[in-house]
Amino acid sequence: DSGVTQTPKHLITATGQRVTLRCSPRSGDLSVYWYQQSLDQGLQFLIQYYNGEERAKGNILERFSAQQFPDLHSELNLSSLELGDSALYFCASSVDAGSSSGNTIYFGEGSWLTVV
Amino acid sequence: SQQGEEDPQALSIQEGENATMNCSYKTSINNLQWYRQNSGRGLVHLILIRSNEREKHSGRLRVTLDTSKKSSSLLITASRAADTASYFCATIQGAQKLVFGQGTRLTINP
Repeated sequence: DSGVTQTPKHLITATGQRVTLRCSPRSGDLSVYWYQQSLDQGLQFLIQYYNGEERAKGNILERFSAQQFPDLHSELNLSSLELGDSALYFCASSVDAGSSSGNTIYFGEGSWLTVV
Repeated sequence: SQQGEEDPQALSIQEGENATMNCSYKTSINNLQWYRQNSGRGLVHLILIRSNEREKHSGRLRVTLDTSKKSSSLLITASRAADTASYFCATIQGAQKLVFGQGTRLTINP
């Protein structure tokens, strides 16, 4: 158990809908990262928050947004869903912002999203 | 862009044998991390090696890092069926984001 908690574990929804994925980081971790894993794209970095502020942005679509709340949990909002958005979405957390040599990043079990 | 590239893409060995996976990367790094993923499950952190380290051990795992060649290797000794999984190396690209390769699919045959 990494200590990173993600809900829901599985989600099936229709095209055009909107879903919210939730993440609780490990106790004491200030950084939260979101990743998407699909068969054709592999593991893709989406976005990172550090202590409530957006820190880095990757290949995140405009239809997707995220935020980190004062209690440090994070949500990833996916809207106008398309079939191609079906993937495993991971949240990860670390103590610091990520640039230090000893910064270990721990992943949750992921949220399986199926768009039908 | 992919920072870490694992080699081979797939590896199948007999239980008890050693498994070696390699990873190459493109830019300078602060550290390199190895992860394991069982099918459809989460990523389990295995080991972190800093850029000023050359070798690190954790149980049956041995990781080496050669920053001059921008490469790392993961050795699993005395493999077990439970080691069957995909293994990924990941490096910090830029200031923060962890970038993964496509992974090595390891199959341990009983």
